[in-house]
Amino acid sequence: QKEVEQNSGPLSVPEGAIASLNCTYSDRGSQSFFWYRQYSGKSPELIMSIYSNGDKEDGRFTAQLNKASQYVSLLIRDSQPSDSATYLCAVNTGGFKTIFGAGTRLFVKA
Amino acid sequence: NAGVTQTPKFQVLKTGQSMTLQCAQDMNHNSMYWYRQDPGMGLRLIYYSASEGTTDKGEVPNGYNVSRLNKREFSLRLESAAPSQTSVYFCASSEHGPDTQYFGPGTRLTVL
Repeated sequence: QKEVEQNSGPLSVPEGAIASLNCTYSDRGSQSFFWYRQYSGKSPELIMSIYSNGDKEDGRFTAQLNKASQYVSLLIRDSQPSDSATYLCAVNTGGFKTIFGAGTRLFVKA
Repeated sequence: NAGVTQTPKFQVLKTGQSMTLQCAQDMNHNSMYWYRQDPGMGLRLIYYSASEGTTDKGEVPNGYNVSRLNKREFSLRLESAAPSQTSVYFCASSEHGPDTQYFGPGTRLTVL
């Protein structure tokens, strides 16, 4: 059974702080990794995709991938109350099937 | 561009009833997907269509059927609804395969 594991949270951080979200996956052959943000009652939307080891930055967001440790993370710098949402880690395990984690709820306190 | 649209937004069924969830995308994407999302669980893939004319089972296909009507439309049918199918259903599309997926607004289905 291929799995993607995330801490369900909630993760609470003060406004302006760095939020760190983590994800581990079980399939060593996984090639594509994604972070989606989902506001309550809304649909998921892509924030970041990462395909190779290392860091990838996009504005306030940085995705980090370590394939040897089977670990993906998302850092959100200068967190804002509008970042409060559930963050879904998703891993493509080959073909057209993407496995989603259950998500981490983030709460940014103003 | 509307992106991915789904109908209906909400639906209540009785056990044993049937219904079809509709999904359409206007981004000229090749691949389309149906997921369900339950509390405390991640999105789970029900069926997908890699390209027009093809469909394949995902992680949880039992109790569902799909039709890729054309490149734009991908429908999900529940032939005999069961309470275990109470969930939020999301349709998604991607340009090519396991790439960035764009999600519709979802259908909240309750089976009594």
